[in-house]
Amino acid sequence: QQPVQSPQAVILREGEDAVINCSSSKALYSVHWYRQKHGEAPVFLMILLKGGEQMRHEKISASFNEKKQQSSLYLTASQLSYSGTYFCGTERDGTSYGKLTFGQGTILTVHP
Amino acid sequence: DTGVSQDPRHKITKRGQNVTFRCDPISEHNRLYWYRQTLGQGPEFLTYFQNEAQLEKSRLLSDRFSAERPKGSFSTLEIQRTEQGDSAMYLCASSTGSNYGYTFGSGTRLTVV
Repeated sequence: QQPVQSPQAVILREGEDAVINCSSSKALYSVHWYRQKHGEAPVFLMILLKGGEQMRHEKISASFNEKKQQSSLYLTASQLSYSGTYFCGTERDGTSYGKLTFGQGTILTVHP
Repeated sequence: DTGVSQDPRHKITKRGQNVTFRCDPISEHNRLYWYRQTLGQGPEFLTYFQNEAQLEKSRLLSDRFSAERPKGSFSTLEIQRTEQGDSAMYLCASSTGSNYGYTFGSGTRLTVV
């Protein structure tokens, strides 16, 4: 039931773009995206709701394809501060109260 | 709003000992979650409270784990008879509802020796 993230790791130079995908085999109500830096807690980036619009946070945006039960996180013109591990968390449709199941994470490294 | 606070930040304990962790959520958040995270993995759900009611507990959680949230405020997570496999980061998060993101605390890192 854990969502599957791809790729497992990405290495970029500053200014380059990246896409991280999150796929679920279950019908979803929402997909959350979080970024975690080493030794710190995950930080909420954005939420995609079933039937909702594509979201954007500065130069990071995300979409949710309900037919495929897949979400994608788009990082545009990456900055050094984007480095970290990105997790998607999924809430199944018709179930429990905001409980999230997290993917295994995608490690993003941005070099100068 | 001071965020989600967790105490202690680090705990080293001997196998077989009991440990208790505390989480103070954001005051207006009625939902509180406990997750466990091991190195290189995403957070794994442990349990969930809405106000003072514990509404769900992971099947992965043995009877050695118990959590409370008296009066719907702070929460405690207790692990009895700790085992080396319990070593992990224990994260607390709170939110106001399904359409909102979680705010995570900094976590309690447990090491069982």
